[in-house]
Amino acid sequence: GAVVSQHPSWVICKSGTSVKIECRSLDFQATTMFWYRQFPKQSLMLMATSNEGSKATYEQGVEKDKFLINHASLTLSTLTVTSAHPEDSSFYICSAILLQSSYNEQFFGPGTRLTVL
Amino acid sequence: AQKITQTQPGMFVQEKEAVTLDCTYDTSDQSYGLFWYKQPSSGEMIFLIYQGSYDEQNATEGRYSLNFQKARKSANLVISASQLGDSAMYFCAMRAFSGGYNKLIFGAGTRLAVHP
Repeated sequence: GAVVSQHPSWVICKSGTSVKIECRSLDFQATTMFWYRQFPKQSLMLMATSNEGSKATYEQGVEKDKFLINHASLTLSTLTVTSAHPEDSSFYICSAILLQSSYNEQFFGPGTRLTVL
Repeated sequence: AQKITQTQPGMFVQEKEAVTLDCTYDTSDQSYGLFWYKQPSSGEMIFLIYQGSYDEQNATEGRYSLNFQKARKSANLVISASQLGDSAMYFCAMRAFSGGYNKLIFGAGTRLAVHP
């Protein structure tokens, strides 16, 4: 089956530092990946759509200068949280579309738990 | 506006019993897809079942079935013969075409607790 990995699975950083999260499609190529944020006991909120070779499309209210997304290859998208603050602490999940799927199914990574001190 | 509504924050069910998790949706699109995902405490999103808007039959996947009532815009998940391992958050989601992409819009989720 289609597998998506994320690295790291968890990270603790100091306020003001930047953190990079990687999302990889391991056994398929993904022209489109998505980044979600999930606060405790809440649902997944789409942050941005990442497209290989072009700029990401951000959802309303998401600061593009704070959450930098790079989709440099067909198997890798990265999310960099710049100048992280405690309110950025959250669970970040990526997903990738398997185009061969009969219904454009999104396969999710295992998530990255970010804690900003 | 496209929206998914899950009105049950939490549900309890006895082991081996069946349980229905409610989901209603709102869309003006003719073509759309509805998904159910399970999220255990580990955080991973596990795909359970899919229903296309043009599918005439209700989707089934093992112990999971989707009660699709298009006129009422509902897509309830039915879990039969509940198991302790079914305790988790369950999210209903709709695939919506927006801004040039197919995106998933998630409901607030329902936390299911299975009791022995």
